[in-house]
Formats: sequence, C-alpha cells, structure tokens
Amino acid sequence: GNSVTQMEGPVTLSEEAFLTINCTYTATGYPSLFWYVQYPGEGLQLLLKATKADDKGSNKGFEATYRKETTSFHLEKGSVQVSDSAVYFCALTPILTGGGNKLTFGTGTQLKVEL
Amino acid sequence: DTAVSQTPKYLVTQMGNDKSIKCEQNLGHDTMYWYKQDSKKFLKIMFSYNNKELIINETVPNRFSPKSPDKAHLNLHINSLELGDSAVYFCASSQGLEDTQYFGPGTRLTVL
Repeated sequence: GNSVTQMEGPVTLSEEAFLTINCTYTATGYPSLFWYVQYPGEGLQLLLKATKADDKGSNKGFEATYRKETTSFHLEKGSVQVSDSAVYFCALTPILTGGGNKLTFGTGTQLKVEL
Repeated sequence: DTAVSQTPKYLVTQMGNDKSIKCEQNLGHDTMYWYKQDSKKFLKIMFSYNNKELIINETVPNRFSPKSPDKAHLNLHINSLELGDSAVYFCASSQGLEDTQYFGPGTRLTVL
C-alpha cells in the first residue's frame, strides 16, 4: 500500500535558521506529493505540491523537489520565522483511474521556532 | 467568504449519544471528504463523495454515516458515540477526483 514517512519531531530552531523536514514515500506509479501545514488551533492549509518527478513546489519561502529516484519530497526553507511554528504534514495521492482520491499523510512534524 | 466550513467547531457530548457534524463548501467542487485526526495528530481518510455518490469508505464503523444532500454539503452523522471517537474531524473538497484537496477548520469532538 501507499505510505509516507516523516522525520520525528518536534524540531526546534532559532529564527533565521535553515529548515529541512525529511519526507519519503512508498507508492506505485507516480503519485502527486503535497506539504500541508497546520497552525496552532487551525485546520490544514496546502503549503505546496508537485505532481511529477523533478517538479519543485514552492510557496512562502518553502520549497520541496519531487525526487523519484530517492522517493523523497523534503521540505526546506532558508530562513525560518517564529510565525512558521506549526505542524507540517507530507502527503501523497496515488494516480487512480476513476477510483476516487485519498490523501495518505505522514505523521506530521512539529516545528518550533524561537527568537 | 470561507471556502470550506464546518459546524460546530467544538462538540462535547456523552457516550452513547448521536451527533452530527456539518460541512459546506462554496468552491463549486464535485468531490468532498471526511478525515479523522487522532490525539497524536495522525490523519486518516474516512469517506469520499463525488457528485453525491460514495466512492471511498475506509473501514469505518457503521456507526458513522455520511450524508450528501447536494454537491456542496457532506454531513457526518455518528451514532452511539464511544470514547475512542474523540478526535478532530476535517472536511475537505476538491474539484475532481484527482485534484488538490482544500480543508475546513476542523471539528473537535470530545466524548465523555
């Protein structure tokens, strides 16, 4: 079956530090890959996505590249801010033929950014 | 102009009760979903409807019954609530079966 593995959290960084959250996946074919973010007390927001190999998704200074050869979609940001503190979820949807769509999520990685 | 909305935001109830959570989307999407997030923040799909037709049902107890009166609404009814049903329930929608999903703010259900 499909699965997503994320690095364990929490990750604690100082403001302006470099961020990497690792994500690897197992799926047949060429799934679409996503990063969602959940700020404290809020719902999930789509952060970025990539739908084919070597695509780079980017948004709000975050970026992730779809690496088929390593089945990875690591999230990076060059300089984090306190406002980036949240839980980050890596997810995939398989390529299906009319059978419906379902996001398979990783377990989430909590990021805490301190001054 | 909230895209995907859920009511209520918080729901506290006793074991054995029956409750409903409502979801509405104003995005014009064809497909809607329910996900459950447990206390460890793990998210798992429960149901998916496309054009009011059930297309995904992920081994959820039959105490849970989704209902889609029209394409813009997908409600979740839960009978005989149990302690283990305590979680945050998220509704989501997408334009088509394979398009990006957009989530509602969640409903935190607490069963006492």
